[in-house]
Amino acid sequence: DTGVSQNPRHKITKRGQNVTFRCDPISEHNRLYWYRQTLGQGPEFLTYFQNEAQLEKSRLLSDRFSAERPKGSFSTLEIQRTEQGDSAMYLCASSFVRGKTGELFFGEGSRLTVL
Amino acid sequence: AQSVTQLGSHVSVSEGALVLLRCNYSSSVPPYLFWYVQYPNQGLQLLLKYTSAATLVKGINGFEAEFKKSETSFHLTKPSAHMSDAAEYFCAVSDQGGNKLVFGAGTILRVKS
Repeated sequence: DTGVSQNPRHKITKRGQNVTFRCDPISEHNRLYWYRQTLGQGPEFLTYFQNEAQLEKSRLLSDRFSAERPKGSFSTLEIQRTEQGDSAMYLCASSFVRGKTGELFFGEGSRLTVL
Repeated sequence: AQSVTQLGSHVSVSEGALVLLRCNYSSSVPPYLFWYVQYPNQGLQLLLKYTSAATLVKGINGFEAEFKKSETSFHLTKPSAHMSDAAEYFCAVSDQGGNKLVFGAGTILRVKS
């Protein structure tokens, strides 16, 4: 399977703990996106990378959130000192863009539950 | 800023009936528009996209959508619903730079037998 892969699929943690999610995009895709989806809402943009450069961050991404894509391949999203409001599905998507919009391919998501 | 409004959080149709899911967008630049489908416990899958070519766009699984600039709409239709169409559908807008998608809140489609 060469789709977007996300791990872990589910994470249950206690408030105040740190969590990290990993996303492996489709090989050779130059853009990688992180979205957050809460119940009853559409995905909300968090941040995106062009290769290894983080080009935009949403105001939703507080200083407790950090994302990296160190070698322009996989990416990690870390949430420090988790709060109950962080409970959501975290979606990763990748695309190949040359000039205009490339189709986004989404992974199955990582569901976070903060107790 | 771009935004999307999906009218109706839940739509219910009978099997074989017309499916119509409504999407209105707001964009200060010519938009790219998308419809995605999400089945339970799965990622989002692209159904179709409008990228300033033909205004009537055909997608997978018999779905199509028509871009109407005067109405700022991009409604999704399918002539005959199938039980397998039951899912959540998201409309999204992007600028032509494709930097990010802005999604609507989604519409859950229920198909009754």
